[in-house]
Amino acid sequence: ETGVTQTPRHLVMGMTNKKSLKCEQHLGHNAMYWYKQSAKKPLELMFVYNFKEQTENNSVPSRFSPECPNSSHLFLHLHTLQPEDSALYLCASSPSRDSSGANVLTFGAGSRLTVL
Amino acid sequence: AQKITQTQPGMFVQEKEAVTLDCTYDTSDQSYGLFWYKQPSSGEMIFLIYQGSYDEQNATEGRYSLNFQKARKSANLVISASQLGDSAMYFCAMRERGAQKLVFGQGTRLTINP
Repeated sequence: ETGVTQTPRHLVMGMTNKKSLKCEQHLGHNAMYWYKQSAKKPLELMFVYNFKEQTENNSVPSRFSPECPNSSHLFLHLHTLQPEDSALYLCASSPSRDSSGANVLTFGAGSRLTVL
Repeated sequence: AQKITQTQPGMFVQEKEAVTLDCTYDTSDQSYGLFWYKQPSSGEMIFLIYQGSYDEQNATEGRYSLNFQKARKSANLVISASQLGDSAMYFCAMRERGAQKLVFGQGTRLTINP
């Protein structure tokens, strides 16, 4: 497989469930990101990891718990979510630093989450 | 604070026509990068084109070009000879140099009519 792969593509969960989203990249990148895309809102950055270390947390509620065991894998653990957390969750990766300044993010296809 | 504005929620264009998608930005930084992404209904964000704030020439990638007007803080995407497959959401984004955070606009839904 190539690029950035996200699983599952669709997830329906109740507010008391615990579930996880998985992201895997085969691009040799060292930075990984979680973004949230809600209807009629711009993409919101949630977390950034560089070389497995979390370097940015954009004031995300603790019911979202990220995990980055290595530079190729990123998880988002979900617990006690609310209906307003229903959204498309996009994972991305990039070189940790790009001297050209471009540092293009490569995105996965997203995990569509519905919280009942 | 960074801010990206896309004023066109939706656009309808005839196939083979050129289309311009508007993007304005606000930053106090002198060094930054501007990006355009395409998001088809499948959900994946596809990188289209990049423009650095110090680049003197407008960026081009195939049928895509970026009309960069630094003084006006605008970075419009131009798609020449539009195709049915260009129908999608288009997002403008910006990153200030030294930061990893990519800030996105609201997006424009482009529909190409046959």
